[in-house]
Amino acid sequence: NAGVTQTPKFRILKIGQSMTLQCAQDMNHNYMYWYRQDPGMGLKLIYYSVGAGITDKGEVPNGYNVSRSTTEDFPLRLELAAPSQTSVYFCASSLGRIEDTQYFGPGTRLTVL
Amino acid sequence: DQQVKQNSPSLSVQEGRISILNCDYTNSMFDYFLWYKKYPAEGPTFLISISSIKDKNEDGRFTVFLNKSAKHLSLHIVPSQPGDSAVYFCAAREETSGSRLTFGEGTQLTVNP
Repeated sequence: NAGVTQTPKFRILKIGQSMTLQCAQDMNHNYMYWYRQDPGMGLKLIYYSVGAGITDKGEVPNGYNVSRSTTEDFPLRLELAAPSQTSVYFCASSLGRIEDTQYFGPGTRLTVL
Repeated sequence: DQQVKQNSPSLSVQEGRISILNCDYTNSMFDYFLWYKKYPAEGPTFLISISSIKDKNEDGRFTVFLNKSAKHLSLHIVPSQPGDSAVYFCAAREETSGSRLTFGEGTQLTVNP
C-alpha cells in the first residue's frame, strides 16, 4: 500500500494563477480531508469529503474548491492564487468513525509570489 | 478562536529523561483527543489517543493523561530518545462534527544525546 500520496511536492505560483493539488489514497477510506499548515500554526481544515460525490467546507475554505468523483482521489483546486495561500498542504484519509486514525500524505509546499 | 492550544512552541530534554508535552482546550464538547508526531518534510503520523471517558492511556513509552475538569491533556514520553525529536501536535474531535479534527499549534521536541 502506498497510503496517501500527494503531487506535486513543491510548487511556485504567480498571483492569479490556478493549480490543482492532487491527492490519492489506496486504503479504500471513505473520508478524505485537506489541511493547510502555516508557519507556527496547527493544521487548519480546508475541505473534507465523507464519500464520493459528497464534500463539505472546513474552517478555511475560501479560495479553494474540491471535488470527489472517486473513492481514491480528492483534488484541491486553487482558482486565483494569492500570497495568503502560501502554505504547506496536507491531504489525509480515514475510515471515518470517530476513533479512526487519519493518515496523512507527505504534503505539498506551495509558494505564491 | 483557538480551541486547542499548545503554549510551549519548543521543549528540549536530555536523552533518557522524561518529556512532558502539554495541551489545553476550551471546547467542552470535545470527547476524543489525539497526539500526532511530525518529522520535517513528512506528514503527521498518529501516535496515541484517549477518549474522554478515560483519564490515562499508555502505549509503550508514550502515555497520555486527560484532566477533563481542567480541560488539559499531556503526553509523557519515558525514556526520551533522540529519534523522538519532532513536532508534536495535539488534536481534538467533537462527536457532533464527525471525524473532523481541531489541531493545536504544535510543540517542537528536541531530545539531546
